[in-house]
Amino acid sequence: AQKITQTQPGMFVQEKEAVTLDCTYDTSDQSYGLFWYKQPSSGEMIFLIYQGSYDEQNATEGRYSLNFQKARKSANLVISASQLGDSAMYFCAPPGTSGSRLTFGEGTQLTVNP
Amino acid sequence: NAGVTQTPKFQVLKTGQSMTLQCAQDMNHNSMYWYRQDPGMGLRLIYYSASEGTTDKGEVPNGYNVSRLNKREFSLRLESAAPSQTSVYFCASSEARGLGETQYFGPGTRLLVL
Repeated sequence: AQKITQTQPGMFVQEKEAVTLDCTYDTSDQSYGLFWYKQPSSGEMIFLIYQGSYDEQNATEGRYSLNFQKARKSANLVISASQLGDSAMYFCAPPGTSGSRLTFGEGTQLTVNP
Repeated sequence: NAGVTQTPKFQVLKTGQSMTLQCAQDMNHNSMYWYRQDPGMGLRLIYYSASEGTTDKGEVPNGYNVSRLNKREFSLRLESAAPSQTSVYFCASSEARGLGETQYFGPGTRLLVL
Protein backbone atom coordinates (compact mmCIF):
# COMPACT_ATOMS: atom_id res chain seq x y z
CA ALA A 1 0.00 0.00 0.00
CA GLN A 2 1.20 3.49 -0.76
CA LYS A 3 1.75 5.55 2.34
CA ILE A 4 2.85 9.05 3.30
CA THR A 5 5.05 9.37 6.37
CA GLN A 6 5.55 12.60 8.25
CA THR A 7 7.77 11.75 11.20
CA GLN A 8 7.54 15.04 13.10
CA PRO A 9 4.25 15.51 14.96
CA GLY A 10 5.46 18.89 16.22
CA MET A 11 8.24 21.31 15.34
CA PHE A 12 9.37 24.59 16.87
CA VAL A 13 11.39 27.32 15.20
CA GLN A 14 12.47 30.83 16.08
CA GLU A 15 11.11 33.64 14.01
CA LYS A 16 13.34 34.46 11.00
CA GLU A 17 15.05 31.07 11.08
CA ALA A 18 14.60 28.29 8.53
CA VAL A 19 12.84 25.02 9.28
CA THR A 20 12.55 21.71 7.44
CA LEU A 21 9.49 19.48 7.62
CA ASP A 22 9.92 15.87 6.54
CA CYS A 23 7.78 13.85 4.15
CA THR A 24 8.47 10.42 2.67
CA TYR A 25 6.32 8.56 0.20
CA ASP A 26 6.29 4.77 0.26
CA THR A 27 5.43 3.89 -3.32
CA SER A 28 6.55 1.49 -6.00
CA ASP A 29 5.78 4.06 -8.68
CA GLN A 30 8.76 5.59 -10.42
CA SER A 31 6.78 8.61 -11.53
CA TYR A 32 4.94 10.41 -8.77
CA GLY A 33 4.35 13.80 -7.23
CA LEU A 34 4.04 15.26 -3.77
CA PHE A 35 1.96 18.19 -2.57
CA TRP A 36 2.28 20.27 0.56
CA TYR A 37 -0.65 21.99 2.24
CA LYS A 38 -0.84 24.39 5.16
CA GLN A 39 -3.70 24.43 7.64
CA PRO A 40 -3.68 27.40 10.04
CA SER A 41 -5.77 27.43 13.19
CA SER A 42 -8.62 29.04 11.25
CA GLY A 43 -9.06 25.66 9.59
CA GLU A 44 -8.78 26.26 5.87
CA MET A 45 -6.48 24.06 3.82
CA ILE A 46 -4.08 26.01 1.64
CA PHE A 47 -2.09 24.55 -1.24
CA LEU A 48 1.60 25.54 -0.95
CA ILE A 49 3.82 23.72 -3.40
CA TYR A 50 4.15 20.69 -5.65
CA GLN A 51 7.09 18.50 -6.73
CA GLY A 52 7.03 15.95 -9.52
CA SER A 53 9.55 13.14 -9.55
CA TYR A 54 10.47 13.99 -13.10
CA ASP A 55 11.15 17.66 -12.32
CA GLU A 56 14.82 18.44 -12.83
CA GLN A 57 14.97 21.08 -10.13
CA ASN A 58 13.58 21.36 -6.64
CA ALA A 59 10.32 23.26 -6.54
CA THR A 60 10.27 26.74 -5.01
CA GLU A 61 7.41 29.12 -4.23
CA GLY A 62 8.52 32.26 -2.44
CA ARG A 63 9.79 31.28 1.02
CA TYR A 64 8.76 27.67 0.45
CA SER A 65 11.05 25.19 -1.25
CA LEU A 66 11.30 21.43 -1.45
CA ASN A 67 14.40 19.39 -0.74
CA PHE A 68 13.58 16.55 -3.08
CA GLN A 69 15.54 13.30 -2.79
CA LYS A 70 14.36 11.04 -5.55
CA ALA A 71 16.08 7.86 -4.37
CA ARG A 72 14.53 8.21 -0.91
CA LYS A 73 11.21 9.36 -2.36
CA SER A 74 11.12 12.26 0.02
CA ALA A 75 10.14 15.88 -0.52
CA ASN A 76 10.96 17.82 2.62
CA LEU A 77 9.45 21.28 2.91
CA VAL A 78 11.88 24.08 3.75
CA ILE A 79 10.41 27.32 5.05
CA SER A 80 12.98 30.11 5.05
CA ALA A 81 12.84 33.18 7.28
CA SER A 82 9.96 31.84 9.38
CA GLN A 83 7.18 34.22 10.29
CA LEU A 84 4.67 34.03 13.12
CA GLY A 85 1.96 33.45 10.54
CA ASP A 86 3.69 30.24 9.48
CA SER A 87 2.47 28.57 12.67
CA ALA A 88 0.09 25.92 11.38
CA MET A 89 -0.34 22.26 10.56
CA TYR A 90 1.47 21.15 7.44
CA PHE A 91 0.34 18.15 5.43
CA CYS A 92 2.09 16.24 2.70
CA ALA A 93 0.15 14.22 0.13
CA PRO A 94 0.75 12.40 -3.15
CA PRO A 95 -1.58 12.83 -6.09
CA GLY A 96 -4.40 10.36 -6.06
CA THR A 97 -4.67 7.34 -8.30
CA SER A 98 -8.19 6.43 -9.35
CA GLY A 99 -10.36 9.48 -9.06
CA SER A 100 -7.33 11.58 -8.13
CA ARG A 101 -7.94 11.29 -4.43
CA LEU A 102 -5.48 12.78 -1.96
CA THR A 103 -4.31 10.72 0.98
CA PHE A 104 -2.68 13.00 3.51
CA GLY A 105 0.05 12.21 5.96
CA GLU A 106 -0.67 12.79 9.64
CA GLY A 107 0.80 16.26 9.49
CA THR A 108 3.35 18.32 11.38
CA GLN A 109 2.31 21.08 13.76
CA LEU A 110 4.76 23.95 13.31
CA THR A 111 5.06 26.63 15.96
CA VAL A 112 7.05 29.78 15.24
CA ASN A 113 8.28 31.48 18.38
CA PRO A 114 8.91 35.24 18.52
CA ASN B 1 -13.52 33.89 -7.97
CA ALA B 2 -14.91 32.66 -4.67
CA GLY B 3 -13.06 29.34 -5.07
CA VAL B 4 -14.68 26.60 -3.00
CA THR B 5 -17.50 27.61 -0.70
CA GLN B 6 -19.21 25.54 1.97
CA THR B 7 -22.35 26.03 4.02
CA PRO B 8 -23.01 26.01 6.89
CA LYS B 9 -19.83 26.88 8.77
CA PHE B 10 -21.08 25.44 12.05
CA GLN B 11 -23.86 23.04 12.90
CA VAL B 12 -25.09 21.25 15.99
CA LEU B 13 -27.31 18.20 15.54
CA LYS B 14 -28.99 15.74 17.82
CA THR B 15 -28.43 12.04 17.28
CA GLY B 16 -30.74 10.80 14.56
CA GLN B 17 -31.26 14.14 12.86
CA SER B 18 -30.41 14.59 9.22
CA MET B 19 -28.70 17.40 7.37
CA THR B 20 -27.00 18.26 4.11
CA LEU B 21 -23.68 20.01 3.79
CA GLN B 22 -23.47 22.15 0.69
CA CYS B 23 -20.38 22.74 -1.43
CA ALA B 24 -19.89 24.76 -4.59
CA GLN B 25 -16.88 25.71 -6.71
CA ASP B 26 -16.58 28.31 -9.44
CA MET B 27 -13.28 27.14 -10.94
CA ASN B 28 -14.84 24.82 -13.54
CA HIS B 29 -13.14 21.80 -11.98
CA ASN B 30 -14.32 18.33 -12.88
CA SER B 31 -13.36 16.54 -9.67
CA MET B 32 -14.79 17.26 -6.26
CA TYR B 33 -14.27 15.63 -2.85
CA TRP B 34 -15.59 15.41 0.68
CA TYR B 35 -13.19 14.83 3.58
CA ARG B 36 -13.52 14.69 7.30
CA GLN B 37 -10.80 15.73 9.67
CA ASP B 38 -10.51 14.36 13.20
CA PRO B 39 -7.80 14.90 15.81
CA GLY B 40 -4.98 12.40 15.39
CA MET B 41 -6.58 10.94 12.24
CA GLY B 42 -5.60 13.47 9.64
CA LEU B 43 -7.84 13.96 6.64
CA ARG B 44 -9.93 11.03 5.47
CA LEU B 45 -11.79 10.86 2.20
CA ILE B 46 -15.52 10.21 2.47
CA TYR B 47 -16.67 10.41 -1.16
CA TYR B 48 -15.41 11.89 -4.36
CA SER B 49 -16.78 12.73 -7.76
CA ALA B 50 -14.49 12.56 -10.77
CA SER B 51 -17.00 14.29 -12.99
CA GLU B 52 -20.58 15.48 -13.11
CA GLY B 53 -22.91 12.54 -12.71
CA THR B 54 -20.41 10.18 -11.07
CA THR B 55 -19.60 9.53 -7.43
CA ASP B 56 -17.39 6.99 -5.70
CA LYS B 57 -16.76 5.92 -2.14
CA GLY B 58 -13.63 6.93 -0.33
CA GLU B 59 -12.11 5.55 2.86
CA VAL B 60 -14.97 6.25 5.26
CA PRO B 61 -18.30 6.40 3.35
CA ASN B 62 -20.55 4.70 5.89
CA GLY B 63 -23.30 6.93 7.19
CA TYR B 64 -23.00 9.41 4.33
CA ASN B 65 -24.51 9.98 0.92
CA VAL B 66 -23.51 12.43 -1.76
CA SER B 67 -25.02 14.12 -4.77
CA ARG B 68 -23.15 15.73 -7.62
CA LEU B 69 -25.95 18.07 -8.60
CA ASN B 70 -24.06 19.67 -11.47
CA LYS B 71 -20.48 20.55 -12.25
CA ARG B 72 -20.40 23.26 -9.60
CA GLU B 73 -22.11 21.59 -6.66
CA PHE B 74 -21.38 18.51 -4.57
CA SER B 75 -23.45 17.93 -1.45
CA LEU B 76 -22.91 15.59 1.49
CA ARG B 77 -25.88 14.20 3.41
CA LEU B 78 -26.06 12.65 6.83
CA GLU B 79 -29.35 10.74 6.98
CA SER B 80 -29.21 9.87 10.68
CA ALA B 81 -26.43 11.68 12.46
CA ALA B 82 -24.36 9.87 15.10
CA PRO B 83 -21.92 11.30 17.66
CA SER B 84 -19.10 9.55 15.75
CA GLN B 85 -19.79 11.95 12.90
CA THR B 86 -18.72 14.92 14.98
CA SER B 87 -15.91 16.30 12.89
CA VAL B 88 -14.74 19.06 10.61
CA TYR B 89 -15.83 18.48 7.02
CA PHE B 90 -13.94 19.82 4.05
CA CYS B 91 -15.02 19.99 0.47
CA ALA B 92 -12.40 20.27 -2.27
CA SER B 93 -12.17 20.51 -6.02
CA SER B 94 -9.16 19.81 -8.17
CA GLU B 95 -7.36 20.64 -11.36
CA ALA B 96 -4.63 18.74 -13.17
CA ARG B 97 -1.07 19.59 -12.19
CA GLY B 98 1.94 17.54 -13.15
CA LEU B 99 1.31 13.87 -12.50
CA GLY B 100 -1.73 14.47 -10.40
CA GLU B 101 -4.24 17.06 -9.39
CA THR B 102 -3.97 20.02 -7.07
CA GLN B 103 -6.86 20.18 -4.70
CA TYR B 104 -8.34 23.43 -3.46
CA PHE B 105 -10.29 23.33 -0.24
CA GLY B 106 -13.30 25.09 1.16
CA PRO B 107 -13.25 26.71 4.61
CA GLY B 108 -14.76 23.68 6.33
CA THR B 109 -17.93 22.89 8.26
CA ARG B 110 -17.67 22.16 11.97
CA LEU B 111 -20.32 19.63 12.94
CA LEU B 112 -21.17 18.59 16.47
CA VAL B 113 -23.55 15.68 17.00
CA LEU B 114 -24.92 15.39 20.51
